[in-house]
Amino acid sequence: DAKTTQPNSMESNEEEPVHLPCNHSTISGTDYIHWYRQLPSQGPEYVIHGLTSNVNNRMASLAIAEDRKSSTLILHRATLRDAAVYYCILRDPYNNNDMRFGAGTRLTVKP
Amino acid sequence: GAVVSQHPSRVICKSGTSVKIECRSLDFQATTMFWYRQFPKKSLMLMATSNEGSKATYEQGVEKDKFLINHASLTLSTLTVTSAHPEDSSFYICSASSSRYNEQFFGPGTRLTVL
Repeated sequence: DAKTTQPNSMESNEEEPVHLPCNHSTISGTDYIHWYRQLPSQGPEYVIHGLTSNVNNRMASLAIAEDRKSSTLILHRATLRDAAVYYCILRDPYNNNDMRFGAGTRLTVKP
Repeated sequence: GAVVSQHPSRVICKSGTSVKIECRSLDFQATTMFWYRQFPKKSLMLMATSNEGSKATYEQGVEKDKFLINHASLTLSTLTVTSAHPEDSSFYICSASSSRYNEQFFGPGTRLTVL
């Protein structure tokens, strides 16, 4: 299984941008890059996903390296409600289609 | 996005009893559902994958006779923890996907405490 590597924790100040990195050097050509976040005692929440091009949605932006071996989740203005564990996951919809979680990055947002 | 519910949200049971957890996709047909377990301060661990109408595929180390999974319809999957023991106490989370969506949608989780 392709794996991802993320920093264990990061801190941010409220209303500042946050860049959460993820390395996935063994990514295959059919792997999509998914980001989910989990608040305490809740199920994971979908944030964003992409394949090759950068993606934007209401929650965040996803910047994907040209060689696809790394990606960065960008929260443009962190709020206290963004404090969560962020997971970067590779998913191949054509093979197994399951989703395996790594340790993720625990984001702390300071007021 | 699509909505997945779980019931119950919290359950406490005595050691040796069985507990059933339901996972429902509320507004879409889920061809595949996944069950995860999460211990405190740890990440989610995939337990099994179930496709509607067929037997679940269990991950290595997960006892299929202890964790019974049924996916009888496109909107419902159940996980039954049989003869529960205190070490089965955990946060159980399901997710659902379909050919319509590229992402998985997760339920809110069920916290099981076995006394």
